[in-house]
Formats: sequence, structure tokens, C-alpha cells
Amino acid sequence: SAVISQKPSRDICQRGTSLTIQCQVDSQVTMMFWYRQQPGQSLTLIATANQGSEATYESGFVIDKFPISRPNLTFSTLTVSNMSPEDSSIYLCSVGTGGEYEQYFGPGTRLTVT
Amino acid sequence: KQEVTQIPAALSVPEGENLVLNCSFTDSAIYNLQWFRQDPGKGLTSLLLIQSSQREQTSGRLNASLDKSSGRSTLYIAASQPGDSATYLCAVDRGTYKYIFGTGTRLKVLA
Repeated sequence: SAVISQKPSRDICQRGTSLTIQCQVDSQVTMMFWYRQQPGQSLTLIATANQGSEATYESGFVIDKFPISRPNLTFSTLTVSNMSPEDSSIYLCSVGTGGEYEQYFGPGTRLTVT
Repeated sequence: KQEVTQIPAALSVPEGENLVLNCSFTDSAIYNLQWFRQDPGKGLTSLLLIQSSQREQTSGRLNASLDKSSGRSTLYIAASQPGDSATYLCAVDRGTYKYIFGTGTRLKVLA
């Protein structure tokens, strides 16, 4: 298993600004992911955070809007850029570990854009 | 394109009832199916993971079954308690860690 922490836990931001969310894992993991959960919706994968290379984005998500860093095997950041009210969501970091492709999730960051 | 649906969307039951949550998926080429619990405003807690070669997994009062050929999974909760109130999500994976999530079932257990 893995213990994951995220900072901040919540934030209220103004339209047009950017917010960087941090994800810290208590052990080295190869696979780290970022998900978004819009109000009343289920989770959608934004991207895979690759250590030492650029993130791999899912359809509908682009690097300019959601730049991701992965400087080592225990840490990643997701930036939500030029925010609009539509970006109001819970953003969750997850890691994949073990041979069974099980995923573990952080507590999430609740973002409100006004 | 894989789609995951959960029925019912919401459920309210008196304490002590046994209940079944349903999950269906359109593409049977999955490696794993995982059930999660999400409490309001919080992250996800993994409940049970079933590999495609397995038919069921049990943990305490929870039992999850998988019928891959028909694209269905069920989560059985025995003797429900108010502390079980949460949203339950199922998710499927093709062995890439890229899970596709269902729409969720909001469960409320009344004391």
C-alpha cells in the first residue's frame, strides 16, 4: 500500500490565476496519476506523471492548461493554469503499485474558482 | 470506448439491511476491477480489487463478485451500518493503471 498526502487540501482562487497542487507519497512508486472530479461527476484521468520525462495527457487535457512535474519517485505537482469557474473540481493524485495494478488515492484538493 | 455504469445512483436503507450495488462495463477486456468508497469531500479508499481471473473477493462484511463475460460486478454489503454511508465507485483497468470510473452509487444507511 501507499500513503499519499496532498497540499493544499482546499483553495478558493480568482479567475485567471494559477494554482499548483502537490502530491507526496511515502514510498518510491513508478506510476503516479492525476484525476479530476467535477461537481456531481465521477473521476476522469487527466494525465500520467512520468518521472524524468513529460507527462502523458488523456484526450481533452493539454499541457498548457495542466502542466505536471515529476522530479522524483515520491513527488509530483499539478498546476491548473488560467483558471475559470469550470475548473472548480476536486483534484486527486493516485499511485499504482504492486503487481496487481491496484491504485491508491490521496485525499484530494478541493478547488473553487470565483 | 469503455463505459462504466452503476445502478442505482442513490440508495437509502435502514440499518441492518443487506444490500447489493451493481456495476456494469461495456468492454470485457479488463485486467482489474476495483471498488472504492468516497466520503464527502474526501479522497477514495480502496475496498476490494478483483483480477479478471477471479470471480470474487471478500473483506469483512463486503463481498465483490465479477462476471467478466457479461460485463458485470456486484458489491454486497452485509448488515449495513450508518458508518457505511458514502459514495461507492467501481473502476476498471486494462492492466495499465488507467482506471475508468463508474458514475457511483450514493448510499445512505439510516439509524
